[in-house]
Amino acid sequence: NAGVMQNPRHLVRRRGQEARLRCSPMKGHSHVYWYRQLPEEGLKFMVYLQKENIIDESGMPKERFSAEFPKEGPSILRIQQVVRGDSAAYFCASSPPRPGAEAFFGQGTRLTVV
Amino acid sequence: AQRVTQPEKLLSVFKGAPVELKCNYSYSGSPELFWYVQYSRQRLQLLLRHISRESIKGFTADLNKGETSFHLKKPFAQEEDSAMYYCALCDTDKLIFGTGTRLQVFP
Repeated sequence: NAGVMQNPRHLVRRRGQEARLRCSPMKGHSHVYWYRQLPEEGLKFMVYLQKENIIDESGMPKERFSAEFPKEGPSILRIQQVVRGDSAAYFCASSPPRPGAEAFFGQGTRLTVV
Repeated sequence: AQRVTQPEKLLSVFKGAPVELKCNYSYSGSPELFWYVQYSRQRLQLLLRHISRESIKGFTADLNKGETSFHLKKPFAQEEDSAMYYCALCDTDKLIFGTGTRLQVFP
């Protein structure tokens, strides 16, 4: 089991472009979480998804950000028309469909907006 | 509001010294608390959770509801303990993290 895989590890985008961050959960994990870490801050929850469903998106900015976890394939965090303030490390975690199960984290994608 | 506070950004100790990484929380309910660790160039991983009441790599953490604290302790620090440590609170379906404390253990 390769663990939670995130790609790319580093992503550079110009202001106004779109950023797509991918997360492949561990085998057998149907729950995916996205967190953002801004410089000098802790990880902040963004969204919690199960296959084909958004369960909790209370941490997602209202505009430009969206997330999906399709039946097949990785979870995608999409940021449209990126701005400098979107520069951060984005972490994905996955867990099995079991209450209280441990969430395993990916190595993160560092997004830099220039 | 649910919140986790780690007051120290950096904690530096010498090998063999005791370590205490502070964590305070604010939560309306019965909290479920965790410590996560991130070693250099590695991914964030769970160190311990309060419900299991276990010691991992010599670290322990006791939940003190009166002081709303969940401090991480180790009696004798090792160089390999140098890492970022994050305290986290489980709120329904998500984790709320503190800002982290970098532990540096000098030889």
